[in-house]
Amino acid sequence: ETGVTQTPRHLVMGMTNKKSLKCEQHLGHNAMYWYKQSAKKPLELMFVYSLEERVENNSVPSRFSPECPNSSHLFLHLHTLQPEDSALYLCASSQVGIHEQYFGPGTRLTVT
Amino acid sequence: DQQVKQNSPSLSVQEGRISILNCDYTNSMFDYFLWYKKYPAEGPTFLISISSIKDKNEDGRFTVFLNKSAKHLSLHIVPSQPGDSAVYFCAASGGSQGNLIFGKGTKLSVKP
Repeated sequence: ETGVTQTPRHLVMGMTNKKSLKCEQHLGHNAMYWYKQSAKKPLELMFVYSLEERVENNSVPSRFSPECPNSSHLFLHLHTLQPEDSALYLCASSQVGIHEQYFGPGTRLTVT
Repeated sequence: DQQVKQNSPSLSVQEGRISILNCDYTNSMFDYFLWYKKYPAEGPTFLISISSIKDKNEDGRFTVFLNKSAKHLSLHIVPSQPGDSAVYFCAASGGSQGNLIFGKGTKLSVKP
């Protein structure tokens, strides 16, 4: 499945580092999402972009900063993270008005 | 407070038999429900969905049943195959394009 790609697939970073996660969708969708999946917890919605406008920010700490330069690309900029931010970060896309979302493979992030 | 609950963390089924995965929800505003399947090291894959105006939707070996009065849905897989072994997530949505609320998932193991 190459509809939604994410890079890198694995990332280890220290608490003082700055890094970015990248997501690209090839499905012609116009909405994109960032989710966080921690162990034994449901997927948590972090950010929603619809038609390149951020429409949802679910009380996410400011150390996570999203960017959506166009409808095909989504970034998550990370800085001064905490060890509890270690998780699987998933990107998804959909068509506005359609419920089904299509996910990328995720980035496994470890904060040391 | 979890709005979507999958109370069985795991389920083991013999190949060829039926697998039944259950999901309960609390929010009566939810009007669309989805099931996703997730293999290790991959993102969730959309499997099947159902609108609240229906009580059943079938796609090949997969059938989703919705009981609105009980706020309960289930996914039936018949016959189960070893390749069905994965984590299954239930998700719910409300409104024209409400955000998806996910359960914690049920790990299905299909034994040959």
